Amino acid sequence: QKEVEQNSGPLSVPEGAIASLNCTYSDRGSQSFFWYRQYSGKSPELIMFIYSNGDKEDGRFTAQLNKASQYVSLLIRDSQPSDSATYLCAVKALSDYKLSFGAGTTVTVRA
Amino acid sequence: ETGVTQTPRHLVMGMTNKKSLKCEQHLGHNAMYWYKQSAKKPLELMFVYNFKEQTENNSVPSRFSPECPNSSHLFLHLHTLQPEDSALYLCASSQELMYSGAAGETQYFGPGTRLLVL
Repeated sequence: QKEVEQNSGPLSVPEGAIASLNCTYSDRGSQSFFWYRQYSGKSPELIMFIYSNGDKEDGRFTAQLNKASQYVSLLIRDSQPSDSATYLCAVKALSDYKLSFGAGTTVTVRA
Repeated sequence: ETGVTQTPRHLVMGMTNKKSLKCEQHLGHNAMYWYKQSAKKPLELMFVYNFKEQTENNSVPSRFSPECPNSSHLFLHLHTLQPEDSALYLCASSQELMYSGAAGETQYFGPGTRLLVL
């Protein structure tokens, strides 16, 4: 069973602050990592993917990958109320076409 | 219309009913997926199709029956469901099934069908 663990939250941050979300995974063969955002009652939408160790930045979002420690994180800088959502971490092994999802971390940005 | 669409968006059905969920993708992708999302639980992969061929049936009960007539359309036929089947059913598509680059294997989701079984 490939496990992807996320802190369910809720993670409450003030507007303008940095939100830090963590995700750990059990399968050392994992090669591709995805962050999705899901607003309440809506479907997941891709924020970004990463597959190399280190940081990847896209606007206010930064994904950080550390394969040796088996974790991937997402930083949201200058958090806005519109960032309030559940963030899903998904992981895929090179040899497998299936994504394994975490249960998600709920983020609430306080105005 | 662009992206991945799903109909209906909401469905209420009794345990003896038969209904179908429809998914259509306008992205030119070759792989399509059905997921079930229950409250506070990770997305559960149900079925996977690649070039219209089913490649995965993740131990899904036979009361769920998928159909993929072409690479753009995916159906989920429902019959004699149970109340515990109430959930959000999500369709997704990706360019390829076993692509070496993360961009090609990225899955894009439809808006989902919120199903309530009474």
